[in-house]
Amino acid sequence: TAGITQAPTSQILAAGRSMTLRCTQDMRHNAMYWYRQDLGLGLRLIHYSNTAGTTGKGEVPDGYSVSRANTDDFPLTLASAVPSQTSVYFCASSEGAGNTIYFGEGSWLTVV
Amino acid sequence: GQNIDQPTEMTATEGAIVQINCTYQTSGFNGLFWYQQHAGEAPTFLSYNVLDGLEEKGRFSSFLSRSKGYSYLLLKELQMKDSASYLCAVMDSNYQLIWGAGTKLIIKP
Repeated sequence: TAGITQAPTSQILAAGRSMTLRCTQDMRHNAMYWYRQDLGLGLRLIHYSNTAGTTGKGEVPDGYSVSRANTDDFPLTLASAVPSQTSVYFCASSEGAGNTIYFGEGSWLTVV
Repeated sequence: GQNIDQPTEMTATEGAIVQINCTYQTSGFNGLFWYQQHAGEAPTFLSYNVLDGLEEKGRFSSFLSRSKGYSYLLLKELQMKDSASYLCAVMDSNYQLIWGAGTKLIIKP
């Protein structure tokens, strides 16, 4: 079973360039999330979507944007990457807000 | 502010028992989750507690005391494959997960 698919798995990006991290889930989950994980810090929520057509800001939304045109896809865009956005990014989903969250395999991004 | 505290690192011996503690202060409470994360991989769900008491699932058990803002994850009969980080997360009143930084568990033969 696929579950949650993220692409790319890893990427090196020049500062100032834009980048979209893709996320697709096949579980028909209503809620989707983007987290970043940095050494020594807990997972931090960037943006979320409780249902298709709606999005919300998490703890660290600055520099990132998302869209939720349909149930399955939840892309994350960095408009103009900066080195502090070097991190591993996890897409996740849950049946609904408040349910158990399941994670994709992660996208390792290095901004140089 | 909201805060989740758990030890940074623990070491245990193969075959032994280890208890990983988590204390929390959050705006409301709608459940506590434990996840396992092997190095370089995604977190995977282990357990969920919303009522006080012990939940047992094979070699893993999770305990919750809401009045004390405290939980622990108990791992029995440790195996080398249990070497991983263990993440504690609390769902607040807005149904958002607040994450601890994780406890890196090192298993020695």
